[in-house]
Amino acid sequence: DAKTTQPPSMDCAEGRAANLPCNHSTISGNEYVYWYRQIHSQGPQYIIHGLKNNETNEMASLIITEDRKSSTLILPHATLRDTAVYYCIVRVGGSQGNLIFGKGTKLSVKP
Amino acid sequence: KAGVTQTPRYLIKTRGQQVTLSCSPISGHRSVSWYQQTPGQGLQFLFEYFSETQRNKGNFPGRFSGRQFSNSRSEMNVSTLELGDSALYLCASRYGTGGGQPQHFGDGTRLSIL
Repeated sequence: DAKTTQPPSMDCAEGRAANLPCNHSTISGNEYVYWYRQIHSQGPQYIIHGLKNNETNEMASLIITEDRKSSTLILPHATLRDTAVYYCIVRVGGSQGNLIFGKGTKLSVKP
Repeated sequence: KAGVTQTPRYLIKTRGQQVTLSCSPISGHRSVSWYQQTPGQGLQFLFEYFSETQRNKGNFPGRFSGRQFSNSRSEMNVSTLELGDSALYLCASRYGTGGGQPQHFGDGTRLSIL
């Protein structure tokens, strides 16, 4: 499975957009990019995923570069409740179901 | 729609005992995966079940086992507990096994070994 690289920590002002980068330079053509976040003592929460095209849902937007070697998760208006560890994961399409979690990015949203 | 439900939420055991953890997936989901989370190793994949069959297994000793029932509910069992088994055990479910189907996690069972 492809590996991902994320900054260990980031800060964001409340109300501003949070842009979380992820590098996945060895991604294969059939591998999806997934984003999850984990708030202390809770299970990881699914945010969004994509293969090639940019995606948007009620929580966030996912921007994937044309060569698919990197992506950015955008939280358009960060709130204090968005403080969490954010994981960028690539997973092989098909029958293998396991996600390989790295260390993620600790996002701190500050008032 | 109810989320993934894991029971119990907290459990305390002693070394040498065995433990069984339970997971009820989201209604309609047929795939259940288990993960272990520790401060040192992070989140690590244990195994995945789909239609009562184990499809994939992580790098854990044979003391860790699981099963899935016909209603998609799953259990995992850890025998001969060791201090290092203290962890948050997470269950995740998804509808099928296709690459574009996200897993949804429960809030886990926190297991403490004394």
